[in-house]
Amino acid sequence: EVQLVESGGGVVRPGGSLRLSCAASGFTFDDFGMSWVRQAPGKGLEWVASINWNGRSTAYADSVKGRFTISRDKAKNFLDLQMNGLRTEDTALYYCAREYQYDSSGYFGPLGNWGQGTLVTVSS
Amino acid sequence: ENVLTQSPGTQSLSPGERATLSCRASQRVISSYLAWYQQKPGQAPRLLIYGASRRATGIPDRFTGSGSGTDFTLTISRLEPEDFAVYYCLQSGTSLTFGGGTRVEFK
Repeated sequence: EVQLVESGGGVVRPGGSLRLSCAASGFTFDDFGMSWVRQAPGKGLEWVASINWNGRSTAYADSVKGRFTISRDKAKNFLDLQMNGLRTEDTALYYCAREYQYDSSGYFGPLGNWGQGTLVTVSS
Repeated sequence: ENVLTQSPGTQSLSPGERATLSCRASQRVISSYLAWYQQKPGQAPRLLIYGASRRATGIPDRFTGSGSGTDFTLTISRLEPEDFAVYYCLQSGTSLTFGGGTRVEFK
């Protein structure tokens, strides 16, 4: 069974940093692209960042580009999101998600499995 | 950025009725990398449709996706009580974008 468990959320002041992690199990981690998606309280889904299966290709939403860094550790089956320069508008529930299927096209595929999320609150 | 616009924002329907949800992209979606998700309160999103028209594993056949290019539709043929939720479209490819969502609520 695919399991994605996020951790690392918490309360941080504007301008601060936080590192989120996602522990992946139940599948071959190296075969799938991974993403972070966030949802502000009472709002819709917002894509944050994606990394392809081998870690050589990444993409970021304009709202986080230059502040957030997505990475993966294939030895530990972990997906990470380093968040620097946090703003109040970054407050959200952050989900880790896996591509639905292995995709060799070079494109990022649809997201098929999701964790339950970790809450990040940016407040003074 | 490929902007996805979903309409209507809210659809008020009764169980047994048909729901038709629209997702329009500002640019052509690559090779139908268009997916639909259902989200209920307090839960993570659930993949319903990928590749514009393919049902994900375990999704009932009352959910149908159609469309290509920039115009896509999710149809729920006969609403069941558990279908009342928020629905999002997602385009992927070189980057990802979600639509703003359509809420299907009880009339």
